[in-house]
Amino acid sequence: GENVEQHPSTLSVQEGDSAVIKCTYSDSASNYFPWYKQELGKRPQLIIDIRSNVGEKKDQRIAVTLNKTAKHFSLHITETQPEDSAVYFCAASGGSGYSTLTFGKGTMLLVSP
Amino acid sequence: EAGVAQSPRYKIIEKRQSVAFWCNPISGHATLYWYQQILGQGPKLLIQFQNNGVVDDSQLPKDRFSAERLKGVDSTLKIQPAKLEDSAVYLCASSLVALNTEAFFGQGTRLTVV
Repeated sequence: GENVEQHPSTLSVQEGDSAVIKCTYSDSASNYFPWYKQELGKRPQLIIDIRSNVGEKKDQRIAVTLNKTAKHFSLHITETQPEDSAVYFCAASGGSGYSTLTFGKGTMLLVSP
Repeated sequence: EAGVAQSPRYKIIEKRQSVAFWCNPISGHATLYWYQQILGQGPKLLIQFQNNGVVDDSQLPKDRFSAERLKGVDSTLKIQPAKLEDSAVYLCASSLVALNTEAFFGQGTRLTVV
């Protein structure tokens, strides 16, 4: 099955800095890569996703890049704000109709004012 | 649109007892997932339903865990008997279809086994 590795496990930045979280996946058939944000005690919520026919996608301060050859994808957050502090999870799912969504272990992002 | 509903929110049981969790997915969502999230880790898939059929239960500890999705809507996850290592948040999620679409999560049930 799919295996998703995520780094770093914790990331501390100053407000206004950029943050980058990286993930690798093992199944070359995977073609959907969402990122979820989970605030303390709350449910994971989708913040951005990318499909394998696209190399990069942006949504305001958030961007995701995908390198299918190297089987890795990254989340980029620019101009970080204290409210960006949360745990971020990457995930990957394959090309079959009933593909499983496999998550990484998460990155705790701390943005200091 | 109403989100994924789960109950109870919290449950404390003693080891070897039984417990059940309930999930009501978003209306019209064919795919339903149960994930186990241990503190400090990412969600781990326990079972995935497509309508009322199981499509992946490879990581479900079948000697103690069971799940069903009657009529392809609500789902119940049961643990019998519970072990200390089952302490975790149990998240239910649903998606319109399984392929390349957003999974919406419920608030989860926090289980503590003592």
